[in-house]
Amino acid sequence: LAKTTQPISMDSYEGQEVNITCSHNNIATNDYITWYQQFPSQGPRFIIQGYKTKVTNEVASLFIPADRKSSTLSLPRVSLSDTAVYYCLVGEGGGADGLTFGKGTHLIIQP
Amino acid sequence: NAGVTQTPKFRVLKTGQSMTLLCAQDMNHEYMYWYRQDPGMGLRLIHYSVGEGTTAKGEVPDGYNVSRLKKQNFLLGLESAAPSQTSVYFCASTTGIRVGGPSTEAFFGQGTRLTVV
Repeated sequence: LAKTTQPISMDSYEGQEVNITCSHNNIATNDYITWYQQFPSQGPRFIIQGYKTKVTNEVASLFIPADRKSSTLSLPRVSLSDTAVYYCLVGEGGGADGLTFGKGTHLIIQP
Repeated sequence: NAGVTQTPKFRVLKTGQSMTLLCAQDMNHEYMYWYRQDPGMGLRLIHYSVGEGTTAKGEVPDGYNVSRLKKQNFLLGLESAAPSQTSVYFCASTTGIRVGGPSTEAFFGQGTRLTVV
């Protein structure tokens, strides 16, 4: 399983764009990169998944450079409700390798 | 469509007691997972299953057993509870589509808060 490294915590302000970077130097050819969001007292929820280049949905964008050794989750114009823990996962897309979460990045949005 | 349902939501056990946590999903998902979450530790995988009748160990399997007798249910058992097993337990499921197919997402239950005294 590819190990991931992401910042333990980040702070930002409402209306700002927030970028959270995840390092995964040992990513395998078949691995996808997936991000989840977790609010207190809730289970994580899927945000976005990608394999290479850029993926965008209604919630976020995911930027993956050509070497795929890192990825950046971009949250546009954050609000207080974006305060949560964000997890970067790297593994086979279907989850057959167990979906291993790390400690995530605790994002705190201030007014 | 309820998604992933965990039973019970809260439980207090005495050291040495046993219990079973039930996870049920109604999405016909192939893969199911059990995690525990402790303060500052993120989510740690206990056991998982890639299909009915199969189970595999995750990062922290000791002290737990699992069974997947029916596709829609994944049971997590504690045979002799210990205070170190005080935690919030989450169950998740995915479709299990492999590389080359549509991207997948894991759906999580609302968690079971277990306290062992």
